[in-house]
Amino acid sequence: GQQVMQIPQYQHVQEGEDFTTYCNSSTTLSNIQWYKQRPGGHPVFLIQLVKSGEVKKQKRLTFQFGEAKKNSSLHITATQTTDVGTYFCAESMDSSYKLIFGSGTRLLVRP
Amino acid sequence: SQTIHQWPATLVQPVGSPLSLECTVEGTSNPNLYWYRQAAGRGLQLLFYSVGIGQISSEVPQNLSASRPQDRQFILSSKKLLLSDSGFYLCAWSTRETQYFGPGTRLLVL
Repeated sequence: GQQVMQIPQYQHVQEGEDFTTYCNSSTTLSNIQWYKQRPGGHPVFLIQLVKSGEVKKQKRLTFQFGEAKKNSSLHITATQTTDVGTYFCAESMDSSYKLIFGSGTRLLVRP
Repeated sequence: SQTIHQWPATLVQPVGSPLSLECTVEGTSNPNLYWYRQAAGRGLQLLFYSVGIGQISSEVPQNLSASRPQDRQFILSSKKLLLSDSGFYLCAWSTRETQYFGPGTRLLVL
């Protein structure tokens, strides 16, 4: 079945440092979504990318979809303690819109 | 605005006991509904989804079942819980690609 691999599994950074998580697929993705889950909370939608090479920004967060639509990245500039959580990528499938999630990257930020 | 409710928030059940988790959505009609499970420190696994009343699709063979008796109600059940059923159960809804998650139910099977 379709799999979306996500790396790294964990990342521990000093506040102010940058952070990047990567999603990779062996097959072409129709779209990629990113979600954030705070510790003890539920996933919250951040953004969706659909077009090849697409780049979107939300304040300190930059999202990129690869030219071949087989990979995506989320980059956070100058992390803050509020960025702590697990970041998941996911592909929305067919007309059911069911999501196939990556394994997630857990971000810890030292104040 | 739309809201999604799940209850209970936490549940401790003995092995072999039945389970019923309920999810309801307000403020939208004919949503797609989903049940996910998340093991501790792990990713989200899609268990079931429903595109309409009485329509259930199962993603993985398991000890659980789902039902959608009303448009905005989604129920996750088990007749006999296993230890491996422990986890964080999340309900979600969508009308397009974006999914909105409920607060979840933490289930511990002892």
